Amino acid sequence: DQQVKQNSPSLSVQEGRISILNCDYTNSMFDYFLWYKKYPAEGPTFLISISSIKDKNEDGRFTVFLNKSAKHLSLHIVPSQPGDSAVYFCAASSRGQGAQKLVFGQGTRLTINP
Amino acid sequence: EAQVTQNPRYLITVTGKKLTVTCSQNMNHEYMSWYRQDPGLGLRQIYYSMNVEVTDKGDVPEGYKVSRKEKRNFPLILESPSPNQTSLYFCASSASRVFNEKLFFGSGTQLSVL
Repeated sequence: DQQVKQNSPSLSVQEGRISILNCDYTNSMFDYFLWYKKYPAEGPTFLISISSIKDKNEDGRFTVFLNKSAKHLSLHIVPSQPGDSAVYFCAASSRGQGAQKLVFGQGTRLTINP
Repeated sequence: EAQVTQNPRYLITVTGKKLTVTCSQNMNHEYMSWYRQDPGLGLRQIYYSMNVEVTDKGDVPEGYKVSRKEKRNFPLILESPSPNQTSLYFCASSASRVFNEKLFFGSGTQLSVL
């Protein structure tokens, strides 16, 4: 039972354009969401996060949007750069149960074309 | 340099031969965790540890053991590896006791069980 889903295994975007990566979740107890970025032969690295009390969080070229009613979040990258080519994982966490576990999505491979 | 170190990076073994993947962090983090990454399934948590001598099962603990005798080390033990444990494994740590935000990941261990 996949509680966090990234339905697009891959995405190809032209350099300079906007990249939009999507993530859906099913567990209404999730109240903290994160995006991690992974290059080949490296471990994932934290990119940006958002709490459920917000609907938007911005950090430079990266913005995460949260739609709680739709149980959907998205990561926008503007403008996209070749160095953004990587696998992006969405992850969710629940504070309420004291569960110290992150649940990850399947990942989306983003390719930025020059 | 703050880091999570996993060894080995690559390991090929045969069914039933016990092995240990080591993980060490130099950030004095209390929380540590093991994940496996498989195509189409993303990152799934195997075990986690909130502190020394405190460990708990993640989503896919079958066939694995862990121990946390020291704060910095969190080895993953496969007592009798099977081919379905062929995967890419990541160790991670975090200073946060509440959320797993900003998990620091190791570079990964690619395990092949023949």
